[in-house]
Amino acid sequence: NAGVTQTPKFRILKIGQSMTLQCAQDMNHNYMYWYRQDPGMGLKLIYYSVGAGITDKGEVPNGYNVSRSTTEDFPLRLELAAPSQTSVYFCASSYQGDYNEQFFGPGTRLTVL
Amino acid sequence: AQSVTQLDSHVSVSEGTPVLLRCNYSSSYSPSLFWYVQHPNKGLQLLLKYTSAATLVKGINGFEAEFKKSETSFHLTKPSAHMSDAAEYFCVVSDTDMRFGAGTRLTVKP
Repeated sequence: NAGVTQTPKFRILKIGQSMTLQCAQDMNHNYMYWYRQDPGMGLKLIYYSVGAGITDKGEVPNGYNVSRSTTEDFPLRLELAAPSQTSVYFCASSYQGDYNEQFFGPGTRLTVL
Repeated sequence: AQSVTQLDSHVSVSEGTPVLLRCNYSSSYSPSLFWYVQHPNKGLQLLLKYTSAATLVKGINGFEAEFKKSETSFHLTKPSAHMSDAAEYFCVVSDTDMRFGAGTRLTVKP
């Protein structure tokens, strides 16, 4: 199993550009999550999904969108990139919800200039 | 809403000496608690978790943590640090959703 994979690993955007961060898992997990990690701030939940076709906002959803058309994939969309979105983005998945271990991808480092 | 506080942003120990990483939490319910480790430029990996079973939880790589409800603490310990333990450690509390602490960077000196 590849686990949780994320692409790209690095990206530089200009202000106002858009992009999609890809996330896929091959563990047949129902739950998937997107986090951002800023220095000294721990991880903040952006969006999560409890199954295909179901998504919900986390703690910091503004400026982002998600979709979950399949169990395996959970892309994160940035429509109008802003410098405040410079961060490291982690995707994670779990078999069930909050009481279960989350498996993390290697992260995407995004810089918005 | 729950919250978690990691009391030290940076801990430095010598190889072979004990490690203590402190975590306090607040929760309105009976939470689950986790410790994750993040090595440089890597994703997070689960070290151990507490889910209302035994209060002393053993994890991977010789780490363990004790759940103390009266003190609302879940400190992470290891008897003898190894150079490979140098990493960032995150305490996580989960009841209605998961909240991550700000992290503790562990440095291990030779």
